Amino acid sequence: GAGVSQSPSNKVTEKGKDVELRCDPISGHTALYWYRQSLGQGLEFLIYFQGNSAPDKSGLPSDRFSAERTGGSVSTLTIQRTQQEDSAVYLCASSFGVGAGGPRNIQYFGAGTRLSVL
Amino acid sequence: SQQGEEDPQALSIQEGENATMNCSYKTSINNLQWYRQNSGRGLVHLILIRSNEREKHSGRLRVTLDTSKKSSSLLITASRAADTASYFCATGGYNFNKFYFGSGTKLNVKP
Repeated sequence: GAGVSQSPSNKVTEKGKDVELRCDPISGHTALYWYRQSLGQGLEFLIYFQGNSAPDKSGLPSDRFSAERTGGSVSTLTIQRTQQEDSAVYLCASSFGVGAGGPRNIQYFGAGTRLSVL
Repeated sequence: SQQGEEDPQALSIQEGENATMNCSYKTSINNLQWYRQNSGRGLVHLILIRSNEREKHSGRLRVTLDTSKKSSSLLITASRAADTASYFCATGGYNFNKFYFGSGTKLNVKP
């Protein structure tokens, strides 16, 4: 597709269940980011993938959170044993990746997945 | 934290007026970007300014950057009701790995 695609757009789950959120980046983009946004707040960095390099996981809030990126394209963010505080919008973005800075760093965002943990 | 912080948190103006939002950050940056978000969904990139630039224009948008004060401003001229959204600054360090987004300025343009 032409843009970053995220699925599902909305997810309602029960506390304690596992969820998987999917992100399909723009073709040719080597960098992929996951962010979390609570209601009325800014974006909280979660994890960053760049090509075949080891991902930067420094933003993951706990070991219940993990993410993979298969074949340098589609990424899945998994939250195990969900808690009510995990409720938020999860945003994925992709970019051409690192370089000399500038336009290659412009991030293109998906519409997000709104996660509600009951 | 490198996180950018926008000021004010909320701004309400009449259509036709100019809107100015400010962003402050804490560490050296390679570039600073402004994004817009409608209805709590995906962000849309507006403009990027490099650390060696002082001012940049794009349509009704004007961005300034003062690296000595670690601050940037976004000016929207002749605002329209359709400009109603949240605006975020994002700072990119030399590491490039992370971009730090502020908490945003919520702009309301009244028709």
